[in-house]
Amino acid sequence: EVQLVESGGGLVKPGGSLRLSCAASGFTFSSYSMNWVRQAPGKGLEWVSSISSSSSYIYYADSVKGRFTISRDNAKNSLYLQMNSLRAEDTAVYYCARDSVRYQLLYPFDYWGQGTLVTVSS
Amino acid sequence: EIVLTQSPGTLSLSPGERATLSCRASQSVSSSYLAWYQQKPGQAPRLLIYGASSRATGIPDRFSGSGSGTDFTLTISRLEPEDFAVYYCQQYGSSPPRITFGGGTKVEIK
Repeated sequence: EVQLVESGGGLVKPGGSLRLSCAASGFTFSSYSMNWVRQAPGKGLEWVSSISSSSSYIYYADSVKGRFTISRDNAKNSLYLQMNSLRAEDTAVYYCARDSVRYQLLYPFDYWGQGTLVTVSS
Repeated sequence: EIVLTQSPGTLSLSPGERATLSCRASQSVSSSYLAWYQQKPGQAPRLLIYGASSRATGIPDRFSGSGSGTDFTLTISRLEPEDFAVYYCQQYGSSPPRITFGGGTKVEIK
């Protein structure tokens, strides 16, 4: 059974940093591109970042470029999102999600974690 | 960047009725790289449709997708109680590489 479990969310002050993790199991992690998607309270979905299976290709939404860094450790079946210079508008539930097609990038997301809440507030 | 506009914002229907949701793109979506997701309160989104019209694994056949270019539609032929939720369209495969979501359509019980 495919499982994605996010962790690392919490309350942080504006300008602060946070590192999110996503532990994957039940599939060959190194064969799939992975993604972060966020959802502000009561709002819609916003794509944040994607990383290819071998980390060769990385893409960011303009809203987080230069502040967030996506990475992965295929040996540990884990995905990460380092978030720096956090702003109030970064407050959201952050989901990790798997691309639906092996070795492709930016395809639909067929498995999602349960999400982790990041709150940026003084 | 491709902007996706979903309409209506809210759809009030009764169980057993047909639901028709629209997703319009600001420019043509290449190769019909358009997907639909369902999200219930407190849950992660679930992939329903990809490639504009292909159902994802395990999705009932009452869900169908259609369209191409800039106009796409998700149809739920007969609403079941578990179908009342928010639905999002998503485009993928654009250049430069980006993922964008529509603002969502809430299907609520009338």
